Amino acid sequence: EVQLLESGGALVQPGGSLRVSCAASGFSFTNHVMNWVRQAPGKGLEWVSAISGSASATYYADSVKGRFTISRENSKSTLFLQMDSLRAEDTAVYYCANSLTGWHVLTYWGRGTLVTVSS
Amino acid sequence: FMLTQPHSVSESPGKTVTISCTRSSGSIASNSVQWYQQRPGSSPTIVIYEDNQRPSGVPDRFSGSFDSSSASLTISGLRTEDEADYYCQSYDASNRNVVFGGGTKLTVL
Repeated sequence: EVQLLESGGALVQPGGSLRVSCAASGFSFTNHVMNWVRQAPGKGLEWVSAISGSASATYYADSVKGRFTISRENSKSTLFLQMDSLRAEDTAVYYCANSLTGWHVLTYWGRGTLVTVSS
Repeated sequence: FMLTQPHSVSESPGKTVTISCTRSSGSIASNSVQWYQQRPGSSPTIVIYEDNQRPSGVPDRFSGSFDSSSASLTISGLRTEDEADYYCQSYDASNRNVVFGGGTKLTVL
């Protein structure tokens, strides 16, 4: 059974930093693209970032480019998102999602972790 | 490019509903479309991928299609448990960015 468990969400002040994690199991983590998608309160889904299985390639939405960094530790089947220079508009539930049938298909999603940026 | 969906749709149990997804520039057929269901308080789950493929476990009441102008998700034999937000999704192959539509709230009443 595929499981994705996010953690690390917290209340952070504007301009601050936070790292969220996603522990994966039930599939061959190293072989698949992983994604972060966020959802602001009462709003729709917004893709944030993706990383290839080997971590050799990373991709970002324009809204977070230069502020967020995606990474992975394949030996521990864990995905990370380092968020710097946080803004109020980054407040959202952050979901990790894997891509098992092609990089452009988000197959399984975790339950999400809430990041709140507020003073 | 952007993907545009109707904000909301409603239909009665047992009926059929279709949700559209229109691409702002370029052809909707350029890149495949996926559809996700998000029930209140839950994470999204995929119901259609590669335009019209159903993952195992998704009822055949769910189907996907597209024509020259838009992609569509059709749900037949509506049940109250189908009440949810539905999002279409495609991608930009040039920069490997994923794009979501704004979501459609389906009410089954």
